[in-house]
Amino acid sequence: KNEVEQSPQNLTAQEGEFITINCSYSVGISALHWLQQHPGGGIVSLFMLSSGKKKHGRLIATINIQEKHSSLHITASHPRDSAVYICAVSKGRDQFYFGTGTSLTVIP
Amino acid sequence: ETGVTQSPTHLIKTRGQQVTLRCSSQSGHNTVSWYQQALGQGPQFIFQYYREEENGRGNFPPRFSGLQFPNYSSELNVNALELDDSALYLCASSLDGRATGELFFGEGSRLTVL
Repeated sequence: KNEVEQSPQNLTAQEGEFITINCSYSVGISALHWLQQHPGGGIVSLFMLSSGKKKHGRLIATINIQEKHSSLHITASHPRDSAVYICAVSKGRDQFYFGTGTSLTVIP
Repeated sequence: ETGVTQSPTHLIKTRGQQVTLRCSSQSGHNTVSWYQQALGQGPQFIFQYYREEENGRGNFPPRFSGLQFPNYSSELNVNALELDDSALYLCASSLDGRATGELFFGEGSRLTVL
C-alpha cells in the first residue's frame, strides 16, 4: 500500500469546469506539497501546506490534518492546466512520499 | 523557472556501466534531494544531502550514491546499471533542510539503460 493515494488517476474536463483532485495519506506529516508536472518532466511546486487552505490565482489547496486528506481545486479550468498533478508529503527532514499523480486533460 | 538545472537532459547507457548525473541548485539552498521517477509512476525518494552530508535515504541500494559540493551543485552516481534503472531522475533544492521547506525541482535527466 502506498503512503500517498491520489484520485482520480485520470481526469478529462471541458474548459471552464471546476476540478477537484484528492489526496489521502497514511503517515504523520510535516508538510504536504502539490506539484505540477508537464510533459517532458519538469516539476513545479504549486503549494506547500501544513494546515488550512491556500489560494493562488485559480488554484486552491486545502488540507485536513485530522482526516489525513488534501484537495487541489482548479476553478475555470483552461487547456494550459493540462498536466500531471502530484501530491507529496514530507515526514521529518529525510522522508518524502509521493502519489502516482493525476493526469488532467482540459479540452477546449 | 526554478533556478535548478540538471545535466545531461537525456542519456543512454548499457547494463553494468556507471553514470553520473549533475544538479545545480539555487544559490543559498543548502539542501538537495534526488528522486527516481519510472514511467507512469510518481517520484521515489532516493536520498537527501544537507551541507554536504547525506541526512536521509530512501529504499535504494548502495550503488546509488551522491555528493554535494559547497557551490550548491550535487551529483547522483549509479554504479552497475540495471535495466530497471531506466527512469527520469529529478533533483530538488530547498532552503536549510526544513521538512516544511518548499521544493524547487530541476527538469530532470532521463536515463535509458539498454
